[in-house]
Amino acid sequence: DAMVIQNPRYQVTQFGKPVTLSCSQTLNHNVMYWYQQKSSQAPKLLFHYYDKDFNNEADTPDNFQSRRPNTSFCFLDIRSPGLGDAAMYLCATSRVAGAATRNIQYFGAGTRLSVL
Amino acid sequence: AQKITQTQPGMFVQEKEAVTLDCTYDTSDPSYGLFWYKQPSSGEMIFLIYQGSYDQQNATEGRYSLNFQKARKSANLVISASQLGDSAMYFCAMREYSSASKIIFGSGTRLSIRP
Repeated sequence: DAMVIQNPRYQVTQFGKPVTLSCSQTLNHNVMYWYQQKSSQAPKLLFHYYDKDFNNEADTPDNFQSRRPNTSFCFLDIRSPGLGDAAMYLCATSRVAGAATRNIQYFGAGTRLSVL
Repeated sequence: AQKITQTQPGMFVQEKEAVTLDCTYDTSDPSYGLFWYKQPSSGEMIFLIYQGSYDQQNATEGRYSLNFQKARKSANLVISASQLGDSAMYFCAMREYSSASKIIFGSGTRLSIRP
């Protein structure tokens, strides 16, 4: 059974039209992450929630926002998608307890975003 | 600054042969963890194996083993008896003690298994 679920799997939006991607988890993990991955590249961390604390990466554009209304759900909002935002968006979760390094991230299947 | 290097952009291997995917890392933190993930064409990142910096033995998970050479700062993934389903992108990743909630990925190696 899928433990990190991303919806939809494929999303097509128009240039400049706001879009929201969703992620839910059944693992009860305290940390949730959003990554952007472009073709044949490594995933790039956009931001993560450590419990309710939002942590933005310094180079994440302001166009990208996130919400985590509860432990199970996390949303990625792209306010005005540009052509360069077409990518795979991956959600991941992890149980982080202190500074232990064995904090395995579990990923969803991703949402592939196309911008027309 | 931490850094993960995967020097093999792509590899072709005959089915049933063993394959080694290279990964070197750079960190000044004495406590860290190393991970390997598999990403098939479907897109999902699948966790394969973990090695802690203080682990005395190399990690193994089924057909996967991690050849951890701490002095050389290398953490190569070995896949024994490769299968067609092993064709995928493979990412090496690291987490440091000082940034426990985040990991950094290498650029990946695309593995193709020939029948």
